[in-house]
Amino acid sequence: KQEVTQIPAALSVPEGENLVLNCSFTDSAIYNLQWFRQDPGKGLTSLLLIQSSQREQTSGRLNASLDKSSGRSTLYIAASQPGDSATYLCAVRTNYGQNFVFGPGTRLSVLP
Amino acid sequence: DTAVSQTPKYLVTQMGNDKSIKCEQNLGHDTMYWYKQDSKKFLKIMFSYNNKELIINETVPNRFSPKSPDKAHLNLHINSLELGDSAVYFCASSQDPGLVPRGVENTEAFFGQGTRLTVV
Repeated sequence: KQEVTQIPAALSVPEGENLVLNCSFTDSAIYNLQWFRQDPGKGLTSLLLIQSSQREQTSGRLNASLDKSSGRSTLYIAASQPGDSATYLCAVRTNYGQNFVFGPGTRLSVLP
Repeated sequence: DTAVSQTPKYLVTQMGNDKSIKCEQNLGHDTMYWYKQDSKKFLKIMFSYNNKELIINETVPNRFSPKSPDKAHLNLHINSLELGDSAVYFCASSQDPGLVPRGVENTEAFFGQGTRLTVV
């Protein structure tokens, strides 16, 4: 059974810092991995999708990497801004599954 | 245009009542999902439908019954609501990887804004 963990659970940084969020999964037989952002009281916004055949994806100040063999993905946020404050969730889609398994999220606060 | 829309956004009801949450997607996806986000913000799959057929039914009480009249809609009906049903329910959709033509790998999932259900 696929299990997804995220470290750290919470992170507080001053504005302008570069930061890395970590996601680990137990079963490397994944189809893809998706990073989401959730603002308080809001829905999930898709940030990046990495297919199992890819090693990284970039969108603006965000870069997500994937290492299937070690069961890890990282989300790199460059030059963080207060508007980046949110909970970041990673979700793994397995090869055999029809759903996404979510991690518990990392709550990020970027201080002005 | 909203890709995945849920109604209502908020729902407050008494124990024992029956309620429904509606979900519609206009992305042409063939797979839709219901997720539950508990008080600890953890998201867990409840149901998955592919082309109106139930694919996944996790350990969810029989009081929860999804209904998919067509592949663009997946509604969630809940009978005899209990206090523990209070949570945020998210609908989502994506394209089934098995049905994606070779070379086209757009199986990105899109989520609705959520329905905050409070049972009192």
